[in-house]
Amino acid sequence: DTAVSQTPKYLVTQMGNDKSIKCEQNLGHDTMYWYKQDSKKFLKIMFSYNNKELIINETVPNRFSPKSPDKAHLNLHINSLELGDSAVYFCASSQRSGSEFNFGPGTRLTVL
Amino acid sequence: GQNIDQPTEMTATEGAIVQINCTYQTSGFNGLFWYQQHAGEAPTFLSYNVLDGLEEKGRFSSFLSRSKGYSYLLLKELQMKDSASYLCNAGNNRKLIWGLGTSLAVNP
Repeated sequence: DTAVSQTPKYLVTQMGNDKSIKCEQNLGHDTMYWYKQDSKKFLKIMFSYNNKELIINETVPNRFSPKSPDKAHLNLHINSLELGDSAVYFCASSQRSGSEFNFGPGTRLTVL
Repeated sequence: GQNIDQPTEMTATEGAIVQINCTYQTSGFNGLFWYQQHAGEAPTFLSYNVLDGLEEKGRFSSFLSRSKGYSYLLLKELQMKDSASYLCNAGNNRKLIWGLGTSLAVNP
């Protein structure tokens, strides 16, 4: 009965590789997000989707591409990984834009 | 511009009361949220204020003054497990902005 789940929990990879992180929510929420939390613990929004439609796309390199196949899923694909991409990536959902977030457990990405 | 300010670190003693302040400047306002984040875990929702005043929820209370752009989170009867980062989050329907978080250490 996990609310927001994401896989994998840990991801260690080499520079230049392409990787994906998957996220699913079973709360019936309309809005889903990807956040990046760096070593300084600052939570930075990357993308927001409402009913499969992109509504927020912050200044993020275009190596990052979100995909929402349906309202319950929002995946994140990252091309040509760089050292600076190392961080914890959180998926989240909210009932609607502007309501509280339910966060997934996070994916700790380490780029070597 | 838009920003949120909160203290970086606080220390308190088990059993005591601590108040974590947050000041905000946002374009449009639809409410203010507080989240708790333990080390290595995801943030979890604590409270939401949209009207002025105090909202109480067990040991935790949150206060909002919209005219002053100010909120605080009050933690009573502190327990060791309250050691965590507390994140203030505010904004409008389209965009919520985050503070950097206040790292609270509760000592025995």
